[in-house]
Amino acid sequence: GAVVSQHPSRVICKSGTSVKIECRSLDFQATTMFWYRQFPKKSLMLMATSNEGSKATYEQGVEKDKFLINHASLTLSTLTVTSAHPEDSSFYICSARDREGEKLFFGSGTQLSVL
Amino acid sequence: QKEVEQNSGPLSVPEGAIASLNCTYSDRGSQSFFWYRQYSGKSPELIMSIYSNGDKEDGRFTAQLNKASQYVSLLIRDSQPSDSATYLCAVKLGGSEKLVFGKGTKLTVNP
Repeated sequence: GAVVSQHPSRVICKSGTSVKIECRSLDFQATTMFWYRQFPKKSLMLMATSNEGSKATYEQGVEKDKFLINHASLTLSTLTVTSAHPEDSSFYICSARDREGEKLFFGSGTQLSVL
Repeated sequence: QKEVEQNSGPLSVPEGAIASLNCTYSDRGSQSFFWYRQYSGKSPELIMSIYSNGDKEDGRFTAQLNKASQYVSLLIRDSQPSDSATYLCAVKLGGSEKLVFGKGTKLTVNP
């Protein structure tokens, strides 16, 4: 299957700081990547769809000014959590579809803890 | 609101038994269905994909799809303790790139 690399795997930061998470497709080009958030014992919730060369599409209720997404190239998408607060503490996971465009493969996830 | 429903469990089965996981979905236009396995603190791992009505087998795993009844299931034969995880059902919405996930069913296989 396709390989999606995500880092960092864990971040602990103070309230008010910004955190950047990177997601790379290692062996294929991903024109579209997806960012999910998962709270403990809850399912994955799609936050936004990241499109290479254009603005991200955000799901209802997700603040685009707080969660900045940049899809700089066909293999890299970044999510920046700006002015993080404790309620932003969650497991953030990126994903991308393989070449055939059907199956979704996930990065290893980033556990964000905001103190 | 397009929904994917799963029994949250926990589902406990003895080692060697068949584990049966079920999922229903609301979007009749959906054509692609997936089962993911997620260990605690880890990201989901794709196990099976199914697109046509009927059964699809891959090793100890069998996915079943019934579009008329809008349900998809996953059977795990000869369950092993290492199969203990949360299993997520995911549905690709019709006419969309979005994948909607169920809340997951926690499976425990007892040695």
